[in-house]
Amino acid sequence: KQEVTQIPAALSVPEGENLVLNCSFTDSAIYNLQWFRQDPGKGLTSLLLIQSSQREQTSGRLNASLDKSSGRSTLYIAASQPGDSATYLCAVPAQGGSEKLVFGKGTKLTVNP
Amino acid sequence: GAGVSQTPSNKVTEKGKYVELRCDPISGHTALYWYRQSLGQGPEFLIYFQGTGAADDSGLPNDRFFAVRPEGSVSTLKIQRTERGDSAVYLCASSPAGYNEQFFGPGTRLTVL
Repeated sequence: KQEVTQIPAALSVPEGENLVLNCSFTDSAIYNLQWFRQDPGKGLTSLLLIQSSQREQTSGRLNASLDKSSGRSTLYIAASQPGDSATYLCAVPAQGGSEKLVFGKGTKLTVNP
Repeated sequence: GAGVSQTPSNKVTEKGKYVELRCDPISGHTALYWYRQSLGQGPEFLIYFQGTGAADDSGLPNDRFFAVRPEGSVSTLKIQRTERGDSAVYLCASSPAGYNEQFFGPGTRLTVL
C-alpha cells in the first residue's frame, strides 16, 4: 500500500531564506509525482508535475526533484516570500497504473516578513 | 480559461439528510476525480471517472456514497443518510486524460450537525 510522508510537518522561516520540503513514498513504481499548494480554506493549486522519466522540474523560484529508486522528492523554494506561506502537499499514484493519488499530510510553511 | 468549479462552497445539513455536491470540470477534460479532506490531513481518494463511467470507485467508504457523471462532463457526488463523520471538505479534480496532471476545484465544505 502506497504511503506518503512529508517532513517537516511545519516550518517557519524568515523572508528571503531558501528552503527544502521533503516527501517520501513507499512504492517507487510511480509514473509521476505532483506538488500542490493549499491556502487556508481553499482548494489545491498544482505547482509542479514530475514525470517518472524526469529527475527535476522547475517553475520560477520552485524546483522539484525526484529520485524514484529511493522513493524521495524534494521541493526547493528559493528566496522565500511571505506570499509563499501555505501548506505544501505532495502526491503520487496509489500503485503502478493507478489514477488515484495518495497524498502526504503536507508541510505548513510560514514565511515571516 | 475557467478552472474546476464546485457548488455549493458550503453545505450544512442535519444527520440523516441527503446531500448532493456538484463538480464542473475544466472543459474538455475527460478524467474527473473526487477526494475528501479532513482537517489536518491530505485529501483521500473517493472515485475516478473516465468519460461517463466510474473507472475506480474503490475509495467510496460505504454504499451511502454514490457519484454520477451522466454526460461525461458535470459530476454529482451523492451522500445518503449523512452522518457526522461525513463532515469534511469534498474536492473535485479533472485531467485532460488519464495519467496526467490533476487540477483541483475550491472544494465543498460539508458540515453534518
